[in-house]
Amino acid sequence: DTAVSQTPKYLVTQMGNDKSIKCEQNLGHDTMYWYKQDSKKFLKIMFSYNNKELIINETVPNRFSPKSPDKAHLNLHINSLELGDSAVYFCASSPGTARGNQPQHFGDGTRLSIL
Amino acid sequence: GESVGLHLPTLSVQEGDNSIINCAYSNSASDYFIWYKQESGKGPQFIIDIRSNMDKRQGQRVTVLLNKTVKHLSLQIAATQPGDSAVYFCAENGSSNTGKLIFGQGTTLQVKP
Repeated sequence: DTAVSQTPKYLVTQMGNDKSIKCEQNLGHDTMYWYKQDSKKFLKIMFSYNNKELIINETVPNRFSPKSPDKAHLNLHINSLELGDSAVYFCASSPGTARGNQPQHFGDGTRLSIL
Repeated sequence: GESVGLHLPTLSVQEGDNSIINCAYSNSASDYFIWYKQESGKGPQFIIDIRSNMDKRQGQRVTVLLNKTVKHLSLQIAATQPGDSAVYFCAENGSSNTGKLIFGQGTTLQVKP
């Protein structure tokens, strides 16, 4: 199926640990994004990459580091996890900023819970 | 600052009625707007978008209206069905062409059978 898929779906870990979330899209899109959705369902963009190049980097702690090995993948690594990092993280993709604004297609999220 | 907000956090409608979900945006330079539907445990699903050179756009059972004068966006759903129950988000680009979207807080739509 064509989709944005992210793994794992659930991630429960201790404070202070390092963890990664993976995202892959097979839609042929050039741009990929990471969003954070808090407990009140507020969605906020964190990063975006266009063809492996960092385009958007919001005021996110540098404990969060995105990595794009190729344009179909955008992974999110988080160091020294804190309680406030508990949220649902969504990956998304869109055709590419060169064509102007286009709808973004979202994965089903990774629910991160910090103990 | 930039913000996109919704007038009502929860909207309850009878099955078969029309639903109208409203959204106010603050950045007059925004030229791209989009609506998403999010069901429990799922990611946001694209419904419809509109650019600032239009004031109305129709899809299947959905219509988006854009009023740039008062910076207002609405989503109309015709003949609302139980499967329409979800949280609906509006988003704007804040004049950015980098793909950045600024999301509103979300409106929960409850459809009563």
